[in-house]
Amino acid sequence: AQSVTQLGSHVSVSEGALVLLRCNYSSSVPPYLFWYVQYPNQGLQLLLKYTTGATLVKGINGFEAEFKKSETSFHLTKPSAHMSDAAEYFCAVGGGNTPLVFGKGTRLSVIA
Amino acid sequence: EAQVTQNPRYLITVTGKKLTVTCSQNMNHEYMSWYRQDPGLGLRQIYYSMNVEVTDKGDVPEGYKVSRKEKRNFPLILESPSPNQTSLYFCASSLVGAETTGELFFGEGSRLTVL
Repeated sequence: AQSVTQLGSHVSVSEGALVLLRCNYSSSVPPYLFWYVQYPNQGLQLLLKYTTGATLVKGINGFEAEFKKSETSFHLTKPSAHMSDAAEYFCAVGGGNTPLVFGKGTRLSVIA
Repeated sequence: EAQVTQNPRYLITVTGKKLTVTCSQNMNHEYMSWYRQDPGLGLRQIYYSMNVEVTDKGDVPEGYKVSRKEKRNFPLILESPSPNQTSLYFCASSLVGAETTGELFFGEGSRLTVL
């Protein structure tokens, strides 16, 4: 079975500050890991993913995430927050021929 | 333009009045799925379909039905809606195999309120 835990349902940062959204996973098979972003009144879109290979993955809009097997983590970061980053972010785990399992989401607020 | 289209986007209905939320994709994807999104609960899968005439239950299928008669369409049917089905619903699609590798394409959502 696979599961995802996102730490913090709401994160607030100042514009220009570091963004750190935390995700820990549980998987009995080698995981595929993802971050999706949901802007207000829109559906989800893929931000970045880790399947195999390089553990530091880069996504759209300056976001990146690092797969750390020893910590079972896949935290999302961005060096400098922008107002347009305000959205809800979902971590998800896949692999093992089962549908994706999503976390409960973290709402990111960016303060001017 | 590649897209997943859901209708209606917003709907208010009453308990027991059957309704259908349509979903259509133009990417020739085999895999389609329905999710509901509720505050504090994230996305939960209702039903999914690996191809035409192949459907399976997700995590929260009670009170819902689906059909997959054509590859592009995957309607969600609420035979007798109840207030606990008030939610934001998303349809998603992907190539088979990609549903486990995360390449899901989502519709814009259908907000349903059952009074």
